[in-house]
Amino acid sequence: GAGVSQTPSNKVTEKGKYVELRCDPISGHTALYWYRQSLGQGPEFLIYFQGTGAADDSGLPNDRFFAVRPEGSVSTLKIQRTERGDSAVYLCASSSSNTRERNTEAFFGQGTRLTVV
Amino acid sequence: QQQVKQSPQSLIVQKGGISIINCAYENTAFDYFPWYQQFPGKGPALLIAIRPDVSEKKEGRFTISFNKSAKQFSLHIMDSQPGDSATYFCAAAGNNRKLIWGLGTSLAVNP
Repeated sequence: GAGVSQTPSNKVTEKGKYVELRCDPISGHTALYWYRQSLGQGPEFLIYFQGTGAADDSGLPNDRFFAVRPEGSVSTLKIQRTERGDSAVYLCASSSSNTRERNTEAFFGQGTRLTVV
Repeated sequence: QQQVKQSPQSLIVQKGGISIINCAYENTAFDYFPWYQQFPGKGPALLIAIRPDVSEKKEGRFTISFNKSAKQFSLHIMDSQPGDSATYFCAAAGNNRKLIWGLGTSLAVNP
């Protein structure tokens, strides 16, 4: 596709349920990032993939959060036992850079708005 | 602890005026400083970015000024237009590649 695609665009779930959020990065982009943005705040880093492996998962808030990227393309963010405090917009971004030396532009999807009721 | 501090929180500018948003950072390991523009319901989009080896970068109406010794950088939007009304975020990153974001500035440009 032309840009980063995230599905669903909106998700409402009940407290305690499990949810999966999907990200389709720009074709050929090796780097993929997940961020979380609460209302009125800047995005907060969650996890970064380089290829299939999680290069940095230091931003995941607790063990209810997990993300995978099994084939180095599509990524899924998984949240178990959702809590009301998990409500936020979850943003995915991808980048073509595959070196640690230079940061290149990260292209963002439109986000998934998660509401836990 | 906010590693990237952004101000002001909101800004109102008349059409044709200059919008100025400021950011300050703590970590001297940061070496990439982008500015993002975000419209409601959309993901952030990169406007312009700078590295610490230059003090200024200009792209069209957008200019970043960078002061390495003060650990500060700012975004200037010249000839501001109503279509520029959006939320602007500064960010910073080091070699670990994860962006640390400011809290955002809501810009309104009055016609």
